[in-house]
Amino acid sequence: DAGVIQSPRHEVTEMGQEVTLRCKPISGHDYLFWYRQTMMRGLELLIYFNNNVPIDDSGMPEDRFSAKMPNASFSTLKIQPSEPRDSAVYFCASSDRTVNQPQHFGDGTRLSIL
Amino acid sequence: GIQVEQSPPDLILQEGANSTLRCNFSDSVNNLQWFHQNPWGQLINLFYIPSGTKQNGRLSATTVATERYSLLYISSSQTTDSGVYFCAGPANDYKLSFGAGTTVTVRA
Repeated sequence: DAGVIQSPRHEVTEMGQEVTLRCKPISGHDYLFWYRQTMMRGLELLIYFNNNVPIDDSGMPEDRFSAKMPNASFSTLKIQPSEPRDSAVYFCASSDRTVNQPQHFGDGTRLSIL
Repeated sequence: GIQVEQSPPDLILQEGANSTLRCNFSDSVNNLQWFHQNPWGQLINLFYIPSGTKQNGRLSATTVATERYSLLYISSSQTTDSGVYFCAGPANDYKLSFGAGTTVTVRA
């Protein structure tokens, strides 16, 4: 299996611009998670989907953040407008059935907002 | 939710040495996962280990759920073992609670 695929690997953009991060989960996995990692806060769960449906977005920091999963093989995390404090590494992960199964992470997107 | 504590926070090893990393959790868990974040930032799932012992090459992990801890053993460490090791337990049905990590540096 190809694993979880994220793009882009790196993104540098100016404050105020729209940023779109993309994720392709492992085929057959029912759960998709978006995380953010920073030095200060560690790994934070932003939102997760089950069978393409957003279940809990309580970790999304602000209305500037939105996530979609139009089908089982694709998800996006969008930030509009972006701010310097959004700079972080964003990970997508997927798992089969529930959290009581191994979560497999993509390589992450390193986002820098200038 | 569950609290996860890892120790030690930092570990420096000479290549070839063995070491043990520990993860304590505040409540009983029905699964525990160990991850390795390499120097390139990739997060690799090492073990999914609700109880008992598992081995994967030079790495092995043991979870004693009744006593609420898990151990990760690194034997004959190599420079490629460097990075941050995280353990994570379920905070609820879908959310993983991650420890702060142990940063391992293996010197040649």
